[in-house]
Amino acid sequence: AQSVAQPEDQVNVAEGNPLTVKCTYSVSGNPYLFWYVQYPNRGLQFLLKYITGDNLVKGSYGFEAEFNKSQTSFHLKKPSALVSDSALYFCAVRAQGTNAGKSTFGDGTTLTVKP
Amino acid sequence: GAGVSQTPSNKVTEKGKYVELRCDPISGHTALYWYRQSLGQGPEFLIYFQGTGAADDSGLPNDRFFAVRPEGSVSTLKIQRTERGDSAVYLCASSFRGPPQGTDTQYFGPGTRLTVL
Repeated sequence: AQSVAQPEDQVNVAEGNPLTVKCTYSVSGNPYLFWYVQYPNRGLQFLLKYITGDNLVKGSYGFEAEFNKSQTSFHLKKPSALVSDSALYFCAVRAQGTNAGKSTFGDGTTLTVKP
Repeated sequence: GAGVSQTPSNKVTEKGKYVELRCDPISGHTALYWYRQSLGQGPEFLIYFQGTGAADDSGLPNDRFFAVRPEGSVSTLKIQRTERGDSAVYLCASSFRGPPQGTDTQYFGPGTRLTVL
């Protein structure tokens, strides 16, 4: 079975400071890893994904994430937070192979960036 | 271009009634996915289609839930004898190729909020 843990329900940062939203995963074999953002009353928007290769992945809106296989983590980062980054963030994992259609999501982390 | 669309955006029904939720995927996407999101939780996988066939329906909670995609484009999620516990946001997503190539991104629609009274 595959699973995702987002250990922080809430992350608060000041505008201009770096931010980190944590994610750890469990999956059989090599993972595909994704970050999505959800704004109120809107669907999930794709931010970035790790498939293979460079452990540091860059995505939309200045976000990046680092894949760490030994720690089974895929933390989302941004060097300088904006108030407009305030939203709900979801990490997701998919297994490689024929069951790769099933994404398992964490329960989300609410990011609040204060001016 | 147009994204994934879902109708209706909101559906209120009474316990025991039948409901249908519709998903229009991005044009040209062969894979389509249904998820359910309860309050305070992440999306939970229900089923995915590769073309017209359900490739993995392991997430459907019971036989009251059924989904079809007869022409490989639009999909309908059907729920019989609805229960209050079925209340959630039902999300649809599509991707270009789907598994086993499965590196492609799933693009989500805005969801249908189902409320069972």
